[in-house]
Amino acid sequence: EVQLVESGGGLVKPGGSLRLSCAASGFTFSSYSMNWVRQAPGKGLEWVSSISSSSSYIYYADSVKGRFTISRDNAKNSLYLQMNSLRAEDTAVYYCARDLGVWEWLQFDYWGQGTLVTVSS
Amino acid sequence: SSELTQDPAVSVALGQTVRITCQGDSLRSYYASWYQQKPGQAPVLVIYGKNNRPSGIPDRFSGSSSGNTASLTITGAQAEDEADYYCNSRDSSGNLVVFGGGTKLTVL
Repeated sequence: EVQLVESGGGLVKPGGSLRLSCAASGFTFSSYSMNWVRQAPGKGLEWVSSISSSSSYIYYADSVKGRFTISRDNAKNSLYLQMNSLRAEDTAVYYCARDLGVWEWLQFDYWGQGTLVTVSS
Repeated sequence: SSELTQDPAVSVALGQTVRITCQGDSLRSYYASWYQQKPGQAPVLVIYGKNNRPSGIPDRFSGSSSGNTASLTITGAQAEDEADYYCNSRDSSGNLVVFGGGTKLTVL
């Protein structure tokens, strides 16, 4: 059974840092691109970042570029999101999602349950 | 990057057909995928690619595309289909990901 389990969320002050983790199981993690997607309270889904299977290709949304860093450890079946210089507007539930898609379309077929990040003084 | 535009809210009578649309320039080059999200739950993929349903998704869900518009159609909407629906695709560069703002579907 495919499982994605996020952890590392919590309350942090503006300007602070947090590192999210996503533990994957039930599939060959090293074969898939992975993504972080967030959802602010009462708002829609916002893509944050993606990383290819071998970490060769990494992309960020403009809203987090220069502050967030995505990485993965295929030996540990884990995805990470290092978040620095956090702002109130980064408050959201953060989901990791597997992408089974091809060039013509995306296919976020499995999602974790999400971890809540709250940025507040 | 580019944007995907969805109607904020749509309603449908129980058992009737409803179409939810998603517009954006990137849809001229890439197919949209569609996700269903119920309160307090993670999104669930319901349609991807040209018109593909993941295992376990009822066949009342279907997808189509024309020009810069992608559509999700629910034929014979059920009470359990009441949820938020999001489209996503690659952006026009092909490197980034964009989500639509979401459509809240109410089943009357």
